[in-house]
Amino acid sequence: ERVMTQSPATLSVSPGERATLSCRASQSVGSSLAWYQQNPGQAPRLLIYGASTRATGIPARFSGSGSGTEFTLTISSLQSEDFAVYYCQHIFTFGPGTKVDIK
Amino acid sequence: QVQLQESGPGLVKPSETLSLTCTVSGGSISNYYWSWIRQPPGKGLEWLGYIYNSGSTNYNPSLKSRVTISVDTSNNQLSLKLTSVTAADTAIYYCARGWYDSLGWYFDLWGRGTLVTVSS
Repeated sequence: ERVMTQSPATLSVSPGERATLSCRASQSVGSSLAWYQQNPGQAPRLLIYGASTRATGIPARFSGSGSGTEFTLTISSLQSEDFAVYYCQHIFTFGPGTKVDIK
Repeated sequence: QVQLQESGPGLVKPSETLSLTCTVSGGSISNYYWSWIRQPPGKGLEWLGYIYNSGSTNYNPSLKSRVTISVDTSNNQLSLKLTSVTAADTAIYYCARGWYDSLGWYFDLWGRGTLVTVSS
């Protein structure tokens, strides 16, 4: 069973700055990796699938990269609505999440 | 646009069966991997299982013996049953539309979720 890990657990960033979130798989998953954003009290929202394809309606400031076991989600310039928890997912396994909060 | 809405009891007694329904509006329930995913308060996401094309199911091995997912195509609803619940089953339960293609698995549409508390 593949295990997904995410780092850091919490990332403190100022509005307008860049955020870089990491996800690691215990075994290669190719490019089969998705990212979700979850704001407080809301359901998760699909951001990225196939490691780098933005979902419908997702702003261009969100980008995904990586393959194999190492993946990155980058938010180029944090907006107020981007302070949330981010999860990576491979098939039916989710990572533990990274909380992005205001510095 | 397609929307998902979970419904069901918010409180279930230990050892009883948790039953939830997800109504799919604005689109067909066919040809997707309709899933249930849960999230204990303050914790991460756990996939419970899916049903595909009204018949094929796949369940999380850690819960397999307790989970049943079914679909009612005439009412565009899917259902979740989780037997012998304990406090550890207290969570927000989401229904989600899953898809699988060359880019892998992903859940592109989620309901708002419903909180189920297991307590006597």
